[in-house]
Amino acid sequence: EIVLTQSPGTLSLSPGERATLSCRASQSVSSSYLAWYQQKPGQAPRLLIYGASSRATGIPDRFSGSGSGTDFTLTISRLEPEDFAVYYCQQYGSSPFYTFGQGTKLEIK
Amino acid sequence: EVQLVESGGGLVQPGGSLRLSCAASGFTVSSNYMSWVRQAPGKGLEWVSVIYSGGSTYYADSVKGRFTISRDNSKNTLYLQMNSLRAEDTAVYYCARDGPPTIGAFDIWGQGTMVTVSS
Repeated sequence: EIVLTQSPGTLSLSPGERATLSCRASQSVSSSYLAWYQQKPGQAPRLLIYGASSRATGIPDRFSGSGSGTDFTLTISRLEPEDFAVYYCQQYGSSPFYTFGQGTKLEIK
Repeated sequence: EVQLVESGGGLVQPGGSLRLSCAASGFTVSSNYMSWVRQAPGKGLEWVSVIYSGGSTYYADSVKGRFTISRDNSKNTLYLQMNSLRAEDTAVYYCARDGPPTIGAFDIWGQGTMVTVSS
């Protein structure tokens, strides 16, 4: 079973700053199947990035994804007030098919 | 408009059963990989089950043998039958679509339905 570990657990930044979120896998993940989501309180998750680096429909270009193998990164180039939320990485592969990281909370400093 | 709408959540006693429904519009459930994902209060996301377009079904170990995923093509609806419920099954349950085409990521989510298992 692949375990995804996200760091940091909480990231405190100010609007306008750059955010870098990490997702490390316990074994190699196909880049085709690594995704990132944003979740705000009381809402369903929203897909941001799939295939490690492809932005989902309607996602602003300040969000970018990179990485391969066991190390993946979500970067938000210039934080907007609406970007403060919890972010999850997720991989798809062999059983248990879909696995999520534990999440990174991005909070306003 | 492409959307998913869940229903069927509620309060149930330990050992009880519940069936969740997820009605789709704007696309065909049977042509996609469809999953259930849950989130316990204050916790992260946990994948529960998937039904492939070909009909194969798979489950997380935590629910295997107790939950059953299915679909009704005529109603364009996804279901999750939950039996032998435990306190640790308490969560918001989301249905979600993978792709299309299948990208190994959930591009459409429902609003979620809350399941509380308590005596």
